[in-house]
Amino acid sequence: EPEVTQTPSHQVTQMGQEVILRCVPISNHLYFYWYRQILGQKVEFLVSFYNNEISEKSEIFDDQFSVERPDGSNFTLKIRSTKLEDSAMYFCATAGAGNEQFFGPGTRLTVL
Amino acid sequence: SQQGEEDPQALSIQEGENATMNCSYKTSINNLQWYRQNSGRGLVHLILIRSNEREKHSGRLRVTLDTSKKSSSLLITASRAADTASYFCATDVAGYALNFGKGTSLLVTP
Repeated sequence: EPEVTQTPSHQVTQMGQEVILRCVPISNHLYFYWYRQILGQKVEFLVSFYNNEISEKSEIFDDQFSVERPDGSNFTLKIRSTKLEDSAMYFCATAGAGNEQFFGPGTRLTVL
Repeated sequence: SQQGEEDPQALSIQEGENATMNCSYKTSINNLQWYRQNSGRGLVHLILIRSNEREKHSGRLRVTLDTSKKSSSLLITASRAADTASYFCATDVAGYALNFGKGTSLLVTP
């Protein structure tokens, strides 16, 4: 069964550094999303992406965040200058025409 | 808030029993999706129910939706120890973002 994959599984970085989280969507999916889950808290929506542009974003998704699909396969989330409070599990999700969002296994980001 | 809120927060049952989890939300939705999350792991999609549907089944799972009460329920029949996980409902209001609740933590003991 097709799956969403994410790399790396765990990223440790110093505060102020840039990180790029990568996602490979299910091949025929056209809708892409990033969510995050701070330890012990609920899953929060960050951004949705369709047809090579952002379709919706939350208040969390400020100027420090960006997304792109550089090569038609990978879908990336970049955090330009990480803060301690960016430490969380970041999930990529993708959806086809049926609207079911399938989530990847997540990247655990630890900002020191 | 349009986020789904699950009830109860925690549920402990024995293998073979049925588990029922409820979800309430506040605004009109396109669909509602249920997910399972094992500790520290990713979210596994269980079922999507659309706003014009009232009930859906998938294996041992049964989901109902009552749009007049803005509520949904997830029933797991004949539970197994492997069903131990957190269960989340997520509402899709406008076709993009999913709004998650805090989840129900289910413990199934042998």
